[in-house]
This record gives sequence, structure tokens and C-alpha cells, in this order.
Amino acid sequence: QVQLVESGGGVVQPGRSLRLSCAASGFTFSSFGMHWVRQAPGKGLDWVALIWYDGSKTHHEDSVKGRFTISRDNAKNTLYLQMDSLRAEDTAVYYCARFYGDNGLDVWGQGTTVTVSS
Amino acid sequence: DIQMTQSPSSLSASVGDRVTITCRASQGISNYLAWYQQKAGKAPKLVIYAASTLQAGVPSRFSGSGSGTDFTLTINSLQPEDVATYYCQKSDSAPVTFGPGTKVDLK
Repeated sequence: QVQLVESGGGVVQPGRSLRLSCAASGFTFSSFGMHWVRQAPGKGLDWVALIWYDGSKTHHEDSVKGRFTISRDNAKNTLYLQMDSLRAEDTAVYYCARFYGDNGLDVWGQGTTVTVSS
Repeated sequence: DIQMTQSPSSLSASVGDRVTITCRASQGISNYLAWYQQKAGKAPKLVIYAASTLQAGVPSRFSGSGSGTDFTLTINSLQPEDVATYYCQKSDSAPVTFGPGTKVDLK
């Protein structure tokens, strides 16, 4: 079945780095754009980044520009989020999601938790 | 960037009630509007896309309407399993901004 599974979350000190992965299965990964969305504890959903189906274009939310980088490996059916210079306010559950064209995000992973704390 | 607002921020309703949630975009977004349902501790789930198209597998008591800047999500005959937070989202070009959410619970 169509599935996204995130991994790589954990507890990290401010200023350090972390790389999240999202393994896709059950669909042609290379045909879909992909997003990262995060949710801070008790808060709403915040869009983080988008990558086109072939990796040719990326977009990042302003507060993570220059610190986070979205990428993908279509041969491995895997999406990544490289997070550098982490801050306490980056603490959140991070979800990867499939981009259903202009029709929203139709498949979501279960999320991976990132905690930035000293 | 286009901002999304929702009202109300929360509501309580009885089983069988009709529930309406409103979403407003700061600029016109045609029909590029999606609605998501998020139950406690779970990932969001797409409910409505293109403002009014029901995602496969979603009960027909859910419906969406609107275009431009004003949109509505309606739940006809609220069921206990509909207790959740609902988010609208501008779904076309980046940034794909989410609204702040509307929490729906049972009276």
C-alpha cells in the first residue's frame, strides 16, 4: 500500500545538525513532488519545504531558509530534510507528505519528533 | 505571502448537528484550497481538495464550497469520529500556507 515512513528524529543541542529521512513505498515516488510539514507541541501545522518530482526546484519557508535543505534520491525512493543550526523553536513533529499537484497533500507519514534542547 | 485565517478557532456541537467552518485567504486563490482533518496524536488526513472535491474514502457528510477568498467546510450530521482539528490550506504554489485550525469537539 501507499506509505511514507519518516526517521531520523531525536534530541539535539541548539546549533547542531540532524537529517530526517522519509522512505516512500507503494507508488512511483519519482512522479510526485514532496513536502515537509512540521507541528510544534500543541500548535498548528507549519509548511517547511517543497521539492519537485525530479528535484529540479525547491522552496523553503522563510524561517528555515539557509538552515534547512530539502532533497531527494529517486533511485532510493527517499526524501530528506537536512537541518543545520537548529534552534529551540524548531522543536516539532516533522511530517513528510506527497504533493497531489494543486490538490493538496494526499499521503502523510506518521511523523518523526525533533527536540532541540541543551 | 498569502495568509489564511479560520473561524471559529473551536466549537462544540452535538451528534447529528450541522457544523460549518470558515476559511479566508488574504488574496484570491481561485479554488486552490484543501481541508485536512487531524485527530489527536495522528497525522493529518486530506478531506477536501480543489475547494469542493471530496477525497476518496471520506464520508459524504463532509462538503466544501467557495472560491477566491472565502471558503467553507461543512459537516452534515456530526459523528463522534469527526472530533478533530480541521485545517485549511492554500494548495497551489509555495508557500502552501495552512490556516490556524478549528478544533471540533462534542457537546
